[in-house]
Amino acid sequence: DTGVSQNPRHKITKRGQNVTFRCDPISEHNRLYWYRQTLGQGPEFLTYFQNEAQLEKSRLLSDRFSAERPKGSFSTLEIQRTEQGDSAMYLCASSPKGSVDTDTQYFGPGTRLTVL
Amino acid sequence: DAKTTQPPSMDCAEGRAANLPCNHSTISGNEYVYWYRQIHSQGPQYIIHGLKNNETNEMASLIITEDRKSSTLILPHATLRDTAVYYCIVRRDSSYKLIFGSGTRLLVRP
Repeated sequence: DTGVSQNPRHKITKRGQNVTFRCDPISEHNRLYWYRQTLGQGPEFLTYFQNEAQLEKSRLLSDRFSAERPKGSFSTLEIQRTEQGDSAMYLCASSPKGSVDTDTQYFGPGTRLTVL
Repeated sequence: DAKTTQPPSMDCAEGRAANLPCNHSTISGNEYVYWYRQIHSQGPQYIIHGLKNNETNEMASLIITEDRKSSTLILPHATLRDTAVYYCIVRRDSSYKLIFGSGTRLLVRP
């Protein structure tokens, strides 16, 4: 079990640029989640996939954000035309399919985005 | 999902038990209590969860009151590496997402 991995760990970009983050879930976990965490706050839910289907999106996910999970394995989160308010830690989590009693989410280390 | 209330900060001495309280007075029958912690600059780490019975694993114990309106996470012998923000989350059966509050910042003193 290698855990959830995220790349890159850190990203610095200029306002207006596009960025893409990658998440590799724990193998055989068919649920994948993205969260965003700003300084001093708890993580906030962004979106959720079951296999390749995106089943829920938060209102926080503006039209500049898009997430994909094309083959039901790894996922990407793209932010277009970045703004300084997008600076945050982007966290990915995965879980096995099951009831809420067994659907424990395991988090990756996160990607810290800084928009200058 | 029910709202949770946690003290913003606590401290305890290394080697002593750390007891972290959580109030969830509006919890309903099908909602589970989950605990995660987040060590500085890392992703949240799952600790334990329960519905109504007390639970114990290698990391901690979870004590849920009989009316389920509050719970306590117990770290039996806190170490310096347990310094982190601890989140208590109430999650209903049909909800996939975790809703994090502000958590409790636990400082373990040498």
